[in-house]
Amino acid sequence: DIQMTQSPSSVSASVGDRVTITCRASQGISSWLGWYQQKAGKVPKLLIYAASNLVSGVPSRFSGSGSGTDFTLTISSLQPEDFASYYCQQASSFPVTFGGGTKVEIK
Amino acid sequence: EMQLVESGGALVEPGGSLRLSCAASGFTISTYGMNWVRQVPGKGLVWVSHINNDGRRTNYADSVKGRFTISRDNAKNLLYLQMNSLRAEDTAVYYCTVHWGSGSYSDLWGRGTLVTVSS
Repeated sequence: DIQMTQSPSSVSASVGDRVTITCRASQGISSWLGWYQQKAGKVPKLLIYAASNLVSGVPSRFSGSGSGTDFTLTISSLQPEDFASYYCQQASSFPVTFGGGTKVEIK
Repeated sequence: EMQLVESGGALVEPGGSLRLSCAASGFTISTYGMNWVRQVPGKGLVWVSHINNDGRRTNYADSVKGRFTISRDNAKNLLYLQMNSLRAEDTAVYYCTVHWGSGSYSDLWGRGTLVTVSS
């Protein structure tokens, strides 16, 4: 099985900050990587698929990059509505696996 | 509006069985692969199972293999998860999800149904 390791597990940041979350796969997954946002008490939402493709309607301050084993989710200027948990997920092979999550908290 | 609605979650004793259903509306599921994903409240997301669009190919997490069965009724626009030999560690909110394109991403999520396994 492919293990997905996210870091950091939590980050404290202020509105306007640039935030970067990393996800590492235990083996190469090409660009088969998605990022999800989950706000407290809400259902997860797909933000990015295929490592760098923004889902329609997702603000352009979100971006994804990487391929192979190392991936990054960047929020260029953190907004109040971005405080949430973020998860990466590999879609390269079954079993599908998620990273452990990163909680973005208000500083 | 495209929507997924899960049902069937309940309190069940260890060793018991439960069948979850997921009703899709606003689109026809027959074209798409679908997943079940679970989450213990306050914890992370865990993929459970996937079924391809015609139901001929299924995949499972090791933790549920041999105990859970995913199936679908495209004519009724329904997805199912039959859960047998339930354990305390199966306690979670179970989400039904669908992926529109290639890659088992979860493009659309239901609101989830809570399964509690406890005596």
